[in-house]
Amino acid sequence: QVQLQESGPGLVKPSGTLSLTCAVSGGSISSSNWWSWVRQPPGKGLEWIGEIYHSGSTNYNPSLKSRVTISVDKSKNQFSLKLSSVTAADTAVYYCARDFHSSGRRFDPWGQGTLVTVSS
Amino acid sequence: DIQLTQSPSFLSASVGDRVTITCRASQGISSYLAWYQQKPGKAPKLLIYAASTLQSGVPSRFSGSGSGTEFTLTISSLQPEDFATYYCQQLNSYPPTFGQGTRLEIK
Repeated sequence: QVQLQESGPGLVKPSGTLSLTCAVSGGSISSSNWWSWVRQPPGKGLEWIGEIYHSGSTNYNPSLKSRVTISVDKSKNQFSLKLSSVTAADTAVYYCARDFHSSGRRFDPWGQGTLVTVSS
Repeated sequence: DIQLTQSPSFLSASVGDRVTITCRASQGISSYLAWYQQKPGKAPKLLIYAASTLQSGVPSRFSGSGSGTEFTLTISSLQPEDFATYYCQQLNSYPPTFGQGTRLEIK
């Protein structure tokens, strides 16, 4: 059973770069799936950030595209998120999720999430 | 971006009640809609995908219907563990977007 686990600093300074990693266990990141990042500001709704395929192909939310980079490390069975020039508005719980593109698209499973606070 | 509007945003109900949540899309999305349940401090959990396909392991009291621009999530008989926030998500076009959420609370 595939499980995902996010990791990274919980505090990032304004104008800095947020960096998170999602470790995939119980399955290969090179399977026929995409892998997504989603965030949720405290008390608010869900926002899709972007996705990656094991080949390195990516799709990003246009609202964040200029600041986002998602990459994959097949040797470590993980993928990563970098968000640059962060502000307080980027404070959120960040989730990674497997993103099925076949037989009915859906996100499942999700990691437990990690809170990232942008503050000096 | 495709906008998803859920109604109601807040719902108060009792154990055993039948409840329905509606999700309306700003343009047609065929059946590319998923429903998630989120409890406080937890990640969203997939309930329904392709508008009406029940995810494995999800109780049969949950059901989904609709296509095009209007979709519903129905819980046939509320159980104590069902009190949570529910989100719809469209996956027809980029970027995938979510509804604003429906908070279901105990009356």
